[in-house]
Amino acid sequence: SQTIHQWPATLVQPVGSPLSLECTVEGTSNPNLYWYRQAAGRGLQLLFYSVGIGQISSEVPQNLSASRPQDRQFILSSKKLLLSDSGFYLCAWSGRGSLRNEQFFGPGTRLTVL
Amino acid sequence: DAKTTQPPSMDCAEGRAANLPCNHSTISGNEYVYWYRQIHSQGPQYIIHGLKNNETNEMASLIITEDRKSSTLILPHATLRDTAVYYCIVRVLGSGGSNYKLTFGKGTLLTVNP
Repeated sequence: SQTIHQWPATLVQPVGSPLSLECTVEGTSNPNLYWYRQAAGRGLQLLFYSVGIGQISSEVPQNLSASRPQDRQFILSSKKLLLSDSGFYLCAWSGRGSLRNEQFFGPGTRLTVL
Repeated sequence: DAKTTQPPSMDCAEGRAANLPCNHSTISGNEYVYWYRQIHSQGPQYIIHGLKNNETNEMASLIITEDRKSSTLILPHATLRDTAVYYCIVRVLGSGGSNYKLTFGKGTLLTVNP
């Protein structure tokens, strides 16, 4: 069966510090991968998606970047965090050719920037 | 993707049916209606999707009006664990990374009361 892992679960970082959040998927090959952010009291916002290794599409201009160094690994990064980067970060995957086009979400990382 | 409109919140008594409405008056002919839910501090979970026919699975039923401009998600016997934010999303079902994107609105907070 497929599983998706995210770490860390919670993170408190000072403004201006770097960020690296990691997401890995097991039990599937060549998935589509996604990073979402949910700010306090707001809906989920798609940040990045990837259809393959090294292929990243950005949905909104921001202080973040994403990379996909391996087929089932998706990394969200920042060189210098802003207060506005605080939020709940969710990684998700979807399978190619799935009739349902269902997305499966990880447990999330709650980031607080102070 | 077509825009959706949902009530911000609803209440339901435990054991009763919960009927969650969604308006999507600008839906295109090739767009499907998807429902996800997000329990507090967790990632969203797929519930059901449909094009024009009513659909039922082990979690819920989806009723789509004949003109496809609105739909209703039905949880036949709501439990306390069904308390969550429910998202109605419309999008195309097709290949390619961009077609797999989910655009989340603010959803409906369903509170199931004992």
